[in-house]
Amino acid sequence: EAGVAQSPRYKIIEKRQSVAFWCNPISGHATLYWYQQILGQGPKLLIQFQNNGVVDDSQLPKDRFSAERLKGVDSTLKIQPAKLEDSAVYLCASSLSPGNEQYFGPGTRLTVT
Amino acid sequence: SQQGEEDPQALSIQEGENATMNCSYKTSINNLQWYRQNSGRGLVHLILIRSNEREKHSGRLRVTLDTSKKSSSLLITASRAADTASYFCATGGGGNKLTFGTGTQLKVEL
Repeated sequence: EAGVAQSPRYKIIEKRQSVAFWCNPISGHATLYWYQQILGQGPKLLIQFQNNGVVDDSQLPKDRFSAERLKGVDSTLKIQPAKLEDSAVYLCASSLSPGNEQYFGPGTRLTVT
Repeated sequence: SQQGEEDPQALSIQEGENATMNCSYKTSINNLQWYRQNSGRGLVHLILIRSNEREKHSGRLRVTLDTSKKSSSLLITASRAADTASYFCATGGGGNKLTFGTGTQLKVEL
């Protein structure tokens, strides 16, 4: 079974630029999550989708972050404009349904200079 | 915000020894999960224990949950160098949202 795919794996941008990350979950997984992991900390949930609907985006900085999962399969997370404090690893995860085991992708390491 | 706090923050042991990590949390939960993260394999789910369970085993892993004390422990028996990683507890609460702790860095030396 193929795992969660993410791209790119690494990205370096300057502050105030925009960036987008892509995630393809495991086939058949209805629930998709985006996490932000800052160095030395645990992952923090940014947004949770159930199929193509948003379940929880309470910790998503909506003035600069946006995410979509239009067809209920793959998803994109965008940051515009980026700030220095956005430097982190962005992890995508999926699960069959909420509350079940989550499967994580390899992450995208973002550096904002 | 981080719900769980792992203790210790860092742990160094010899191969073959047992490693115990603890997690404390603040609010009521539906389940508690443990994950491992290393540079090679990313973040991997280890075990899930539901709020009505007290103990669960999986291979060399043993997890306990005490909801009255709002705490959990992860025991890795007969540790191996390959167990070197960061270990996170994650609490599943309302809406099945997972909240991760700060992690324990385990180093297993040969």
